Amino acid sequence: DQQVKQNSPSLSVQEGRISILNCDYTNSMFDYFLWYKKYPAEGPTFLISISSIKDKNEDGRFTVFLNKSAKHLSLHIVPSQPGDSAVYFCAASARSGGYQKVTFGTGTKLQVIP
Amino acid sequence: DSGVTQTPKHLITATGQRVTLRCSPRSGDLSVYWYQQSLDQGLQFLIQYYNGEERAKGNILERFSAQQFPDLHSELNLSSLELGDSALYFCASSVVGTSVDEQFFGPGTRLTVL
Repeated sequence: DQQVKQNSPSLSVQEGRISILNCDYTNSMFDYFLWYKKYPAEGPTFLISISSIKDKNEDGRFTVFLNKSAKHLSLHIVPSQPGDSAVYFCAASARSGGYQKVTFGTGTKLQVIP
Repeated sequence: DSGVTQTPKHLITATGQRVTLRCSPRSGDLSVYWYQQSLDQGLQFLIQYYNGEERAKGNILERFSAQQFPDLHSELNLSSLELGDSALYFCASSVVGTSVDEQFFGPGTRLTVL
């Protein structure tokens, strides 16, 4: 049961345009959401997060939007740069057994074309 | 450089064998997580340790075990290896291990079972 879904395995965007990466979840108990970026041959690195009590969080070129009613979140990158080309993982966290457990999606590979 | 180290980088072994993957967390981080990433799959959470004690368990097979030592480094033991165990294994660490904790990932160990 994939509780966190990234339905687009890949995305290509022109440099300077907006990149929108989407993520859907099924567990209404998730209370914290994160995005990680992964370059080849490296581990994922944290990018941005959002609490379930918010609907938007912005950090420079990166903005995450959360629509709780739709159980959907998205990551916007504006403007997109070639260095943003990477795999982006959506992750969601919920309390389970007294502790917080994080569930990752399958990732979306973003290619920013110069 | 996340500050999390993993050894070895690559490991090639045969079915039925046993291997040990090692992880050293960032200085000061008390929590260690292990993840498995198979081809075209997301990051599957395996297990989390906090200050030497198991905190959360994910989809970890009975053939797999882990521990965190007093110096906070962790080892993941994989036994009776099968072809399907071939994957990237990531270790991550965080300060405490809550949902708001950013996890810092190591570069991963690529395991190939022949």
